Amino acid sequence: RKEVEQDPGPFNVPEGATVAFNCTYSNSASQSFFWYRQDCRKEPKLLMSVYSSGNEDGRFTAQLNRASQYISLLIRDSKLSDSATYLCAVPDPTGGGADGLTFGKGTHLIIQP
Amino acid sequence: DGGITQSPKYLFRKEGQNVTLSCEQNLNHDAMYWYRQDPGQGLRLIYYSQIVNDFQKGDIAEGYSVSREKKESFPLTVTSAQKNPTAFYLCATAFSSYNEQFFGPGTRLTVL
Repeated sequence: RKEVEQDPGPFNVPEGATVAFNCTYSNSASQSFFWYRQDCRKEPKLLMSVYSSGNEDGRFTAQLNRASQYISLLIRDSKLSDSATYLCAVPDPTGGGADGLTFGKGTHLIIQP
Repeated sequence: DGGITQSPKYLFRKEGQNVTLSCEQNLNHDAMYWYRQDPGQGLRLIYYSQIVNDFQKGDIAEGYSVSREKKESFPLTVTSAQKNPTAFYLCATAFSSYNEQFFGPGTRLTVL
């Protein structure tokens, strides 16, 4: 299984600040990428899908760097409610990709008042 | 109301017992997945199914079994052969293996 790597953190960020973290992937053939948010003791929830160079949804921006094989997630004007673990996921097209997405272990974000 | 349901939410099991975790979906998704998550750890794939009556082992299938008799249902049995079954179990579905996955609320299994 191809690898997806994330800095586990925790990232401690003051409320209102901008924070960004990266996810590196090893399979250069991957065409789509996903960011999930997971709250403590809850299931992951889809935050954003990235199919081209990037995507933006309100305060959240995902950017893809295919040359360096990483995707980043930028959160502007961070809120206390943004505190969570952020997982990235990448399909693995090799071998048919039947086993679905490869998930990173997540980056833990703590927004401090 | 569309979605993915998992039951029970919490499950306690004595050592040596088999237990079955339920996963049901009405999203009309073909692909279904079972993951295990341990505290502070990532998701580990147990089993997956791309179509009814077919399923494949994931990275940590030993001690687990599944069935896919209906498109809507993908139950997971944790057998007594699983040496360390206490974990958070998550079911996910997707239109296909390349699409985003959607997760059920999970079952927290504790072996006493």
